[in-house]
Amino acid sequence: GQQVMQIPQYQHVQEGEDFTTYCNSSTTLSNIQWYKQRPGGHPVFLIQLVKSGEVKKQKRLTFQFGEAKKNSSLHITATQTTDVGTYFCAGRSGSARQLTFGSGTQLTVLP
Amino acid sequence: EAGVAQSPRYKIIEKRQSVAFWCNPISGHATLYWYQQILGQGPKLLIQFQNNGVVDDSQLPKDRFSAERLKGVDSTLKIQPAKLEDSAVYLCASSSIIANTIYFGEGSWLTVV
Repeated sequence: GQQVMQIPQYQHVQEGEDFTTYCNSSTTLSNIQWYKQRPGGHPVFLIQLVKSGEVKKQKRLTFQFGEAKKNSSLHITATQTTDVGTYFCAGRSGSARQLTFGSGTQLTVLP
Repeated sequence: EAGVAQSPRYKIIEKRQSVAFWCNPISGHATLYWYQQILGQGPKLLIQFQNNGVVDDSQLPKDRFSAERLKGVDSTLKIQPAKLEDSAVYLCASSSIIANTIYFGEGSWLTVV
């Protein structure tokens, strides 16, 4: 079955430093979504990427979808303490109706 | 707009007991999901409904887990009998047919002792 892997599992950064998490799928994806889960909270939708090579920005967050549509990344510029949480990618392949979540990257921002 | 409602928020049961979780999706959302999230892992889909029909239940341990969505709105997820490894957060989510965005509820935290 489809597998979605994320690295790193954990990342500690100093406030103001940049952060990147990477997502890789075992199969070609029709689209990929990113979610953020605050400690003790539930996943909250951030963005969806559909096109090969697509790049989208949300303020300090930049999302990329690979040319082969098998990988994606989320980059945060100048992290803030409000960025703390676990970031999940979730992909859907082909005609599959199921969205498969990665294992997440837990971000800690030190003040 | 009201979000996805779940209850109970927390439940502690002994192994071999049963438990049921309830979910009320966002109004008008035809698709409803139950995810299991074990601590430190990503959500894993247990079952997906569209209206009152099952779309995908391939990862639902059917010997002990069951779910229903009889009128195409509310849903219940039942575990009987519970095992220690069922300790997790059970997240209900919903989406409309048109949009791909999934909206999650706060989750039901289950501890099996």
